[in-house]
Amino acid sequence: KAGVTQTPRYLIKTRGQQVTLSCSPISGHRSVSWYQQTPGQGLQFLFEYFSETQRNKGNFPGRFSGRQFSNSRSEMNVSTLELGDSALYLCASSSGLAGARFTDTQYFGPGTRLTVL
Amino acid sequence: KQEVTQIPAALSVPEGENLVLNCSFTDSAIYNLQWFRQDPGKGLTSLLLIQSSQREQTSGRLNASLDKSSGRSTLYIAASQPGDSATYLCAVRSSGNTGKLIFGQGTTLQVKP
Repeated sequence: KAGVTQTPRYLIKTRGQQVTLSCSPISGHRSVSWYQQTPGQGLQFLFEYFSETQRNKGNFPGRFSGRQFSNSRSEMNVSTLELGDSALYLCASSSGLAGARFTDTQYFGPGTRLTVL
Repeated sequence: KQEVTQIPAALSVPEGENLVLNCSFTDSAIYNLQWFRQDPGKGLTSLLLIQSSQREQTSGRLNASLDKSSGRSTLYIAASQPGDSATYLCAVRSSGNTGKLIFGQGTTLQVKP
């Protein structure tokens, strides 16, 4: 089974631009979560999608948004980029099945390294 | 608010040594705890998942224990190898309707040949 894939792997943008990151979950998984990793703050939860619906959202400004498609692939978008948005963005997939939503293993992708200049 | 702490932040050991990594959390109301490994610049690799009803899980040279009442977990690595060098992260999934993982800051392990 193929793992979680994320594209692109690396991105360089300038302040004020916007960016879209993509995540394809493991086949059959319906839940996708996004995390931001920085040296100072560590790993922080951005949001979770299940069946095209956002189920949970972390404490990030509205410039961070996401969506999920019918094939469970997910995208996240960051508008009006700031220097502090430079980070490794990781997505994780899990089955999300009823009864296992909070107990199943989360599998992470390789991440997208975003650098904002 | 759930907080996860990992001590030490960094650890250096000679090859072949057995070692223990520590993880503590402030709220014992959790669904499970998961240990991950992260190589520099890479994503997270899931090592072990312990459900709240379990005491330990084993995979190869790795053994993870969970003491929910005291808010502690340990990851035991037997006969360490240079290839074990990485950052090890623990994460808890707190009870409640959020589903998010709350991570510790990690322990960076270096195993010297």
